[in-house]
Amino acid sequence: DGGITQSPKYLFRKEGQNVTLSCEQNLNHDAMYWYRQDPGQGLRLIYYSQIVNDFQKGDIAEGYSVSREKKESFPLTVTSAQKNPTAFYLCASSPSRDNNQPQHFGDGTRLSIL
Amino acid sequence: SQKIEQNSEALNIQEGKTATLTCNYTNYSPAYLQWYRQDPGRGPVFLLLIRENEKEKRKERLKVTFDTTLKQSLFHITASQPADSATYLCALGYSSASKIIFGSGTRLSIRP
Repeated sequence: DGGITQSPKYLFRKEGQNVTLSCEQNLNHDAMYWYRQDPGQGLRLIYYSQIVNDFQKGDIAEGYSVSREKKESFPLTVTSAQKNPTAFYLCASSPSRDNNQPQHFGDGTRLSIL
Repeated sequence: SQKIEQNSEALNIQEGKTATLTCNYTNYSPAYLQWYRQDPGRGPVFLLLIRENEKEKRKERLKVTFDTTLKQSLFHITASQPADSATYLCALGYSSASKIIFGSGTRLSIRP
C-alpha cells in the first residue's frame, strides 16, 4: 500500500532542544515538501526538495533544517532557533517538480512545547 | 504577494442540498488550481485539478469552475451528505514556480 508515513504523531519539545520529524514515502516520487499548519491558517511551505541531495527554502524556513539523502526520506529538524514551534506539521510528495500534479500528504505530526 | 481568500466562516448545509465553496485570489492568475479535502487531525487529500484554459471539471458529485476574469474558483458538492463534512482547501499553482500556495480553507458541515 503506497503512501507517506510521518512519525511520531505527537511530539513534545523542551526549551533549547532540537527535534526531528520523520517523513518516508514509498510512492517513488521525486519531489517532497514540508508544511506548517496553524489554526485558521493555510499551509505554509517550510522546505521542499525536487531531487535527492537538493532542497530549497520555502516561505518560513528560519529555525528549520532538512536533508534529502534518499529519495524516499525527507526529515525535518525543528531547531531551538524556532521560537514558536507549536503547530501541525505536514509532509507531502508529488511525482515531479511540476506543480500541476497533486500532492500526497501524510497524516501529520503535532508538535508542542513542554 | 499573491493572496488567496476562502470563506472564513464555516458553511452549514442541509443534507441533499448543493454546497458551494469559493476561492478568490488576487494578482496573477494561476496556471492550475487544485482542491483538497482535510479531515480533523489528518493530512489533506487531493480531489480535483483545473487548468486555466478549462472552465469546468467534474468528478462524481464534485464540480469545480475556474473564472480567470473574476479571479475565482467555485467548488460544488451536489446531493451533499454528512460524510462530506470536512475542511476544503484550494491551492494555486504557477508555471514559473515549483510550489503551490494554499488557502486557509473552508469548514463545511452537512447536517442530516
